[in-house]
Amino acid sequence: SAVISQKPSRDICQRGTSLTIQCQVDSQVTMMFWYRQQPGQSLTLIATANQGSEATYESGFVIDKFPISRPNLTFSTLTVSNMSPEDSSIYLCSASKETGSDTQYFGPGTRLTVL
Amino acid sequence: AQSVSQHNHHVILSEAASLELGCNYSYGGTVNLFWYVQYPGQHLQLLLKYFSGDPLVKGIKGFEAEFIKSKFSFNLRKPSVQWSDTAEYFCAVNAVSNTGKLIFGQGTTLQVKP
Repeated sequence: SAVISQKPSRDICQRGTSLTIQCQVDSQVTMMFWYRQQPGQSLTLIATANQGSEATYESGFVIDKFPISRPNLTFSTLTVSNMSPEDSSIYLCSASKETGSDTQYFGPGTRLTVL
Repeated sequence: AQSVSQHNHHVILSEAASLELGCNYSYGGTVNLFWYVQYPGQHLQLLLKYFSGDPLVKGIKGFEAEFIKSKFSFNLRKPSVQWSDTAEYFCAVNAVSNTGKLIFGQGTTLQVKP
């Protein structure tokens, strides 16, 4: 398994600002992912964070809005840019040891409120 | 497109009652199947998973799930629930590929009354 931590755990931000969320894994992992869980809804994959290359975004998510970095095999960041109240969600990082269809382990999430 | 459907959005049970949460998915290829649980104030945890082999899989805390390929289903069961099982339960599917993308169901909130 993998133990994942995220910072910050929660934040309240003003409209138009940006927030960077950090995700740290306790061991090297092959795959890292970012999900969004909007109030009362399920988890939706935003993107796959690729080490050493640009992230792979899902339909409906773009790099300008959600830039992602992954400088090494244990760390990734997600930035929520130019925030609006609609971005209020829980953002979760996950990781899996192997490529493909391995089990994903999740971080505790970052609860973001945009005023 | 792949999708996952959980039949029950909110389930209320008394302690010692039996539990079955439904999960159906739509995807014609080979899949891996997961149930995750989120206890109040805690992060998402893996409850059990099915990759291959025996379609009846056992997870933590007395939970089990059965994969029925012909019905595209992966229902979660527990013979006798406890108050501590109060949580939100998510079914998730991953098409066997290199992308690793998980598709989640809508989630089921389980409330167990003492």
